[in-house]
Amino acid sequence: DAKTTQPPSMDCAEGRAANLPCNHSTISGNEYVYWYRQIHSQGPQYIIHGLKNNETNEMASLIITEDRKSSTLILPHATLRDTAVYYCIVREYNNNDMRFGAGTRLTVKP
Amino acid sequence: NAGVMQNPRHLVRRRGQEARLRCSPMKGHSHVYWYRQLPEEGLKFMVYLQKENIIDESGMPKERFSAEFPKEGPSILRIQQVVRGDSAAYFCASSPKRGGLNEQYFGPGTRLTVT
Repeated sequence: DAKTTQPPSMDCAEGRAANLPCNHSTISGNEYVYWYRQIHSQGPQYIIHGLKNNETNEMASLIITEDRKSSTLILPHATLRDTAVYYCIVREYNNNDMRFGAGTRLTVKP
Repeated sequence: NAGVMQNPRHLVRRRGQEARLRCSPMKGHSHVYWYRQLPEEGLKFMVYLQKENIIDESGMPKERFSAEFPKEGPSILRIQQVVRGDSAAYFCASSPKRGGLNEQYFGPGTRLTVT
């Protein structure tokens, strides 16, 4: 699986959009981009995934560049409860495991 | 529909004892994954099991660690002769089928402390 690179930490003001970047320059054509988050040592929670098109759900939006070498997770209106470690993962559809990196620790401040 | 359940949530063992961690997947899920998270680190894949079979154990330490998922009952991660370095949070996840996209659901984890 391709390796991902994320900034170790970010801050965001409550109510503003949080934009979390992820680099995956060695991604291959059959690998998807997933985002999970982990709130204060709880089990990871799925957020969103995509292959090459931008995706949106009730939690977030995922913007994938045309060359697929990077992506951005957008939380449109961050709340204090969005404070968590956010993991960007790339893997093939039928791969068994999630390769979690160090992630980005997002702190939403009032 | 109950989520993935893990017990115990906290487990304290002395060096040399055995630790047994249990994971009950979501109803209808026959695939279980175990991950370990050391303090201040990301999750690391350990093993993937389907009912009665180990499919991928490439992340399991070669000694002292074993996992099973019997036909009946929860999946068990067993650590023999625990050492301080085994202190970590152990998470299991389940899915209804192999691989898939967003279909790994995680449990709350078991925090193992070895004294």
